[in-house]
Amino acid sequence: GENVEQHPSTLSVQEGDSAVIKCTYSDSASNYFPWYKQELGKRPQLIIDIRSNVGEKKDQRIAVTLNKTAKHFSLHITETQPEDSAVYFCAASTYFTGNQFYFGTGTSLTVIP
Amino acid sequence: GAVVSQHPSRVICKSGTSVKIECRSLDFQATTMFWYRQFPKQSLMLMATSNEGSKATYEQGVEKDKFLINHASLTLSTLTVTSAHPEDSSFYICSAQGQDYGYTFGSGTRLTVV
Repeated sequence: GENVEQHPSTLSVQEGDSAVIKCTYSDSASNYFPWYKQELGKRPQLIIDIRSNVGEKKDQRIAVTLNKTAKHFSLHITETQPEDSAVYFCAASTYFTGNQFYFGTGTSLTVIP
Repeated sequence: GAVVSQHPSRVICKSGTSVKIECRSLDFQATTMFWYRQFPKQSLMLMATSNEGSKATYEQGVEKDKFLINHASLTLSTLTVTSAHPEDSSFYICSAQGQDYGYTFGSGTRLTVV
């Protein structure tokens, strides 16, 4: 099955700086890569996703890059704000209905005001 | 947008009793539902995948007789933790996937077994 690794496990940045979280996956059949933000005790919220036919996607301060050859993808948050503090999970899936997501181990991001 | 309701949000039960958690897709038909378990400060671990009208597929290491999953309709899946023990205390979260909707998470259930 798929194995998703995520680094770093914890990340602290100063407000206004950028944060980068990296994930690698093992199954070359995976073609859908979402990123989730989870606040304590709450459900994960999808913040951005990318499909394998795209190398980069951006949504305001958030961007995701994908390198299919190397099987890695990254989340980039620019101009970080204290409300960005949360746990972030990457995931990989073959995006057909009924296929499960395999999640990374999570990154706890702290933005210091 | 797609909404998935999960109940209860919190439950405390005595060791040896059973607890049922419900996951409902409110505005779409969920052909597939997934159940995850999350320990504090850890990732979501997939427990099982359920398709409406068929038996759930459990991940390796998950006891199917302990974690009973029923997906009787296109809008409802239930997870029953049978003969619960303190080590079953965790955050359980479902997600639903429909033909026209992507992956939507429920709000999660905090189970505490005392």
